[in-house]
Amino acid sequence: KQEVTQIPAALSVPEGENLVLNCSFTDSAIYNLQWFRQDPGKGLTSLLLIQSSQREQTSGRLNASLDKSSGRSTLYIAASQPGDSATYLCAVRSTGNQFYFGTGTSLTVIP
Amino acid sequence: EAQVTQNPRYLITVTGKKLTVTCSQNMNHEYMSWYRQDPGLGLRQIYYSMNVEVTDKGDVPEGYKVSRKEKRNFPLILESPSPNQTSLYFCASSLYQGANSPLHFGNGTRLTVT
Repeated sequence: KQEVTQIPAALSVPEGENLVLNCSFTDSAIYNLQWFRQDPGKGLTSLLLIQSSQREQTSGRLNASLDKSSGRSTLYIAASQPGDSATYLCAVRSTGNQFYFGTGTSLTVIP
Repeated sequence: EAQVTQNPRYLITVTGKKLTVTCSQNMNHEYMSWYRQDPGLGLRQIYYSMNVEVTDKGDVPEGYKVSRKEKRNFPLILESPSPNQTSLYFCASSLYQGANSPLHFGNGTRLTVT
């Protein structure tokens, strides 16, 4: 069964820092990996999707990479801002069309 | 506006009283799914559907039922809720199965079973 792990569970950084969030998965039989943002009490907002054949995707200050063979993905956030404070979740879509989520990294950006 | 709509947002009920949480999407998506989110456990998939009349179990289907009679709707049914089903529930959809189809989420339903 697919297992998805996110490290660290929590992260606190001063405003302006660049940071990296990590996601690892155990089964490389995936269609894609998606990064989400979740604000307290709210739903999930999709940030980036990387197909299994791709190595990275970029959107604004966000860059996500995927190394399917090693079962790893990273989300890079450049020049962090207080508005980036949220929980970040990664999810893999298996080739059986099930989704598996990590437990998230809670990010706090200190002004 | 393209969206996934869940109702109700909050629900408090008692053990054993049947309830339905509705989910509707207006994006003509084929794939729909339900998740529960619990502290320390993350999101876990309950059921999913790849098209009308096609449903499959996710990781935690016990105590839940679903149906997909129309493409846009995917209700979650708890026939006899128990306190361990107290959780935050999310419905999500995507255009089709496969690699380049992001998952879109509803705003969630917070269920409390006493």
